[in-house]
Amino acid sequence: KAGVTQTPRYLIKTRGQQVTLSCSPISGHRSVSWYQQTPGQGLQFLFEYFSETQRNKGNFPGRFSGRQFSNSRSEMNVSTLELGDSALYLCASSSSIRGNTEAFFGQGTRLTVV
Amino acid sequence: DQQVKQNSPSLSVQEGRISILNCDYTNSMFDYFLWYKKYPAEGPTFLISISSIKDKNEDGRFTVFLNKSAKHLSLHIVPSQPGDSAVYFCAASEVRNQFYFGTGTSLTVIP
Repeated sequence: KAGVTQTPRYLIKTRGQQVTLSCSPISGHRSVSWYQQTPGQGLQFLFEYFSETQRNKGNFPGRFSGRQFSNSRSEMNVSTLELGDSALYLCASSSSIRGNTEAFFGQGTRLTVV
Repeated sequence: DQQVKQNSPSLSVQEGRISILNCDYTNSMFDYFLWYKKYPAEGPTFLISISSIKDKNEDGRFTVFLNKSAKHLSLHIVPSQPGDSAVYFCAASEVRNQFYFGTGTSLTVIP
């Protein structure tokens, strides 16, 4: 079974630009979550999508948005990039059929804002 | 506000000995806890989980202990191997698929 795939792996953007990151979950997984990892902050929850609907949202500004497609693939968009948005963005998928299950992570997209 | 804390940023252990990684949380509503292992330039890899209805879960060399009254979670690795050297994150959830992570503990297993 293929794992969670995130593209691109690396991105360099200029302050003020916008960026779109992509995530393909494990086949059959309908839940996709996004996390931001910065040094000293651990992984911070951004949002979770299930069946094309945002089900949970973390404490991030509205510049961070996402969506999920009917094939469960998800995209995350960050508009008006700031230097502090430089981070590793991780996507995780989960089967989430019933109860709690572990999340499986992709390798992440390293975003650098200059 | 960090709801899950890993107060030891690093830990060094001799090969063959026990590694104990600790995690504290503040939200008493958390009911599902996990440990992840992360190598540089890779995403976290799931290791082991525990539900709040249990106080211990074992999987091979890895055992997770949960003390709900103390809001404390620990991961024991016995025996430790050099390949276990990585950053370990604990995570907790109250709402399904919304995990709060600690800041990680870097484990070094010395051959």
